[in-house]
Amino acid sequence: NAGVTQTPKFQVLKTGQSMTLQCAQDMNHEYMSWYRQDPGMGLRLIHYSVGAGITDQGEVPNGYNVSRSTTEDFPLRLLSAAPSQTSVYFCASSYQTDRGHYGYTFGSGTRLTVV
Amino acid sequence: GQQVMQIPQYQHVQEGEDFTTYCNSSTTLSNIQWYKQRPGGHPVFLIQLVKSGEVKKQKRLTFQFGEAKKNSSLHITATQTTDVGTYFCAGGGGATNKLIFGTGTLLAVQP
Repeated sequence: NAGVTQTPKFQVLKTGQSMTLQCAQDMNHEYMSWYRQDPGMGLRLIHYSVGAGITDQGEVPNGYNVSRSTTEDFPLRLLSAAPSQTSVYFCASSYQTDRGHYGYTFGSGTRLTVV
Repeated sequence: GQQVMQIPQYQHVQEGEDFTTYCNSSTTLSNIQWYKQRPGGHPVFLIQLVKSGEVKKQKRLTFQFGEAKKNSSLHITATQTTDVGTYFCAGGGGATNKLIFGTGTLLAVQP
């Protein structure tokens, strides 16, 4: 099992460019989410999905779009990159139990710099 | 909205000393989870607590969930250099039960 695979690992964008961060999981998890990590800010939820065809906004959704056409894939799109989106992005997946989302599995992250 | 605060932000200890990080939520949680992130790495799941007053142990790590299910703590006994990293709590709650992460505690261990 590969777990959660994120690509690319590193990316430099110019202000105004768009791009898609890829995330794929092979654990048949219903729940997938995107977080960004900035120094001193912890992990902030951008968007999440509870299953194919269902997505919703997290704490910091502005400037990002997501879709979930399959259980495996959950891409994150930056519409028009801004320097404020310079961050480390993590994708995570988990399965749902009666006790909530159990034990997120994180990808290795994408380090994005917007110049 | 739901907020999860964590203290301290940073802790430096000598190897062999104990370490504790505290987590507080603005709302009652359905569960709390703890993660460890090594420098340059990604968060790795440690444990989930669900019941009011629950205490769980993993070797030198002790996790507690408060009676009111709004706070939690992680205690490490006799720290080792391998304990270095950032420890995050994450609270689950609300209609969708999504996890909201705390700001993390960075632990530095001096040999």
